[in-house]
Amino acid sequence: NAGVMQNPRHLVRRRGQEARLRCSPMKGHSHVYWYRQLPEEGLKFMVYLQKENIIDESGMPKERFSAEFPKEGPSILRIQQVVRGDSAAYFCASSLGAPNTEAFFGQGTRLTVV
Amino acid sequence: EDQVTQSPEALRLQEGESSSLNCSYTVSGLRGLFWYRQDPGKGPEFLFTLYSAGEEKEKERLKATLTKKESFLHITAPKPEDSATYLCAATGGSYIPTFGRGTSLIVHP
Repeated sequence: NAGVMQNPRHLVRRRGQEARLRCSPMKGHSHVYWYRQLPEEGLKFMVYLQKENIIDESGMPKERFSAEFPKEGPSILRIQQVVRGDSAAYFCASSLGAPNTEAFFGQGTRLTVV
Repeated sequence: EDQVTQSPEALRLQEGESSSLNCSYTVSGLRGLFWYRQDPGKGPEFLFTLYSAGEEKEKERLKATLTKKESFLHITAPKPEDSATYLCAATGGSYIPTFGRGTSLIVHP
């Protein structure tokens, strides 16, 4: 029973390029969450999705960032025109039910913008 | 705005020296309080969910408790392999978990 799978584990992008982060939830899970973690800081919520729907994107910057969770395939977090401040670890989590139930995290994608 | 504060930020223990980690929360209508363990370079690993004051859960050397304002993670006779960062999160009316900054625990042999 595979856990939450994120890829790539490490991603290096030059300023101005696009970054695409992928997340496959645990089997049977239809709720997906994306978080950003900076050194010495806690996990910051970005977006909550269910299949084909964005439920809450209150933590996601309005510009350059977008997320989707299509009917088929993984959830994608897209960052356009990356800047150095986007460098961070991005974690995806999934849950079987509502957000107040246990969520399982992937190993994260560490984005470095050079 | 929901807030979660963890203390201490860092804790060093000798093997076998029991202690507690604190998680204070301010959320409107608590729906769940979560504890996770995170090892360096890895994603958080789920430990416990608590839903109501007075609830307790145990797993090996760890025990989580919940009051109306805070949660404690008690570590009994810790071992070096318990060294990690322990994260607390709370969900309120928005259903979105708010995480604390974590407590970095180091257990010396």
